[in-house]
Amino acid sequence: DVKVTQSSRYLVKRTGEKVFLECVQDMDHENMFWYRQDPGLGLRLIYFSYDVKMKEKGDIPEGYSVSREKKERFSLILESASTNQTSMYLCAVGASGSRNEQFFGPGTRLTVL
Amino acid sequence: GENVEQHPSTLSVQEGDSAVIKCTYSDSASNYFPWYKQELGKRPQLIIDIRSNVGEKKDQRIAVTLNKTAKHFSLHITETQPEDSAVYFCAVRAGGYQKVTFGIGTKLQVIP
Repeated sequence: DVKVTQSSRYLVKRTGEKVFLECVQDMDHENMFWYRQDPGLGLRLIYFSYDVKMKEKGDIPEGYSVSREKKERFSLILESASTNQTSMYLCAVGASGSRNEQFFGPGTRLTVL
Repeated sequence: GENVEQHPSTLSVQEGDSAVIKCTYSDSASNYFPWYKQELGKRPQLIIDIRSNVGEKKDQRIAVTLNKTAKHFSLHITETQPEDSAVYFCAVRAGGYQKVTFGIGTKLQVIP
């Protein structure tokens, strides 16, 4: 089984702070994703990465950046947190090729005050 | 980009009845259609998926049907049980790198 972990389950930050959310996988999967989950809006893709140092914008990248320096680690960065970034953030991991399942982390509930 | 619409947003059924959730998509090049289940407080997990070269797939009490011409697919749950209560997300993939677009989710409540 793929194990996907996220650095925090709950996080409270102040407006303007720089926030780092980290995702780590213990399998050798190429693809990693960051989503945010909001009631009534489902899961929206922020950024994804298909290889080390590679990144692609998702549907809502504004206000976020990412970093993937090692294959097992994918970080989401909020350069200057704002209240509208209060949300549940979910990391997901998936292999390339014929296997398409995405394995999700437990999520980080971020509150920006 | 891909546009995925999911209906209904909430669904209540009596235990033992069937539940159907429908999704439509916009990109005719879409080739992979997974369904995820998210129980309260837990992470989403894949429950069933279907590829564009297949019209129907079953796994015990759940099934998915795909109509490529109409660009819609549906999740069918038969003989519902209280443990089926969860939020269900459809998703669509069109292209590489496993990027998928999710629907907004359907909150299913199975009433004992």
